Amino acid sequence: VELKQWGAGLLKPSETLSLTCEVYGESFSGFYWTWVRQPPGKGLEWIGEINHSGSTRYNPSLKSRVTMSVDTSKNQFSLRLDSVTAADTSIYYCARLVRGYGIGHWGQGTLVTVSS
Amino acid sequence: YELTQPPSESVSPGQTATITCSGDKLETKYVCWYQQKAGQSPVMLIYQNNKRPSGIPERFAGSNSGTTATLTISGTQAMDEADYYCQAWDSNTAVVFGGGTKLTVL
Repeated sequence: VELKQWGAGLLKPSETLSLTCEVYGESFSGFYWTWVRQPPGKGLEWIGEINHSGSTRYNPSLKSRVTMSVDTSKNQFSLRLDSVTAADTSIYYCARLVRGYGIGHWGQGTLVTVSS
Repeated sequence: YELTQPPSESVSPGQTATITCSGDKLETKYVCWYQQKAGQSPVMLIYQNNKRPSGIPERFAGSNSGTTATLTISGTQAMDEADYYCQAWDSNTAVVFGGGTKLTVL
């Protein structure tokens, strides 16, 4: 299983963060696909998850600004975070989540910097 | 739901390192552990409290009792210097991470 992610790395405050992750070597169904972020020098924060049918669950602290979507025809899932501020500057990871098991596969991470 | 880890631990090479993760009624939840080396993505070390994924050395072991889950690293090596995170699910099945523990191998 391999996850490759991409998206804009530099944003201005109030802009929208958009990242996409493509899954290789694994069936898209049967798992949850998740986003985790990590501010520079700090710990991991779960953003949310989505399954192949589009069912989502978000971190309550980000729920008002987060949208996740899935394109099963391309084995891709995406993250959208609205109205970013400097506090959203982080490395963003896409990953495969199995409930009750954990996150066994991670993308390479994308550094997103929010700066005016 | 919160998971609490000590910010740092240190261990001498060859000795046993112990990293704790505390949470309310944690023993009723499955706990995972991840290792993250500098500049790299996290790697799962332990799932379902005490199981190791394929390829993870036997020196990594996990346990979970009461309010504390523990990651034990036996015969610690210099390559084990990293940040370690515990993870569980809250009552709404949302993922929760501990704050992370920086392990220094002196």
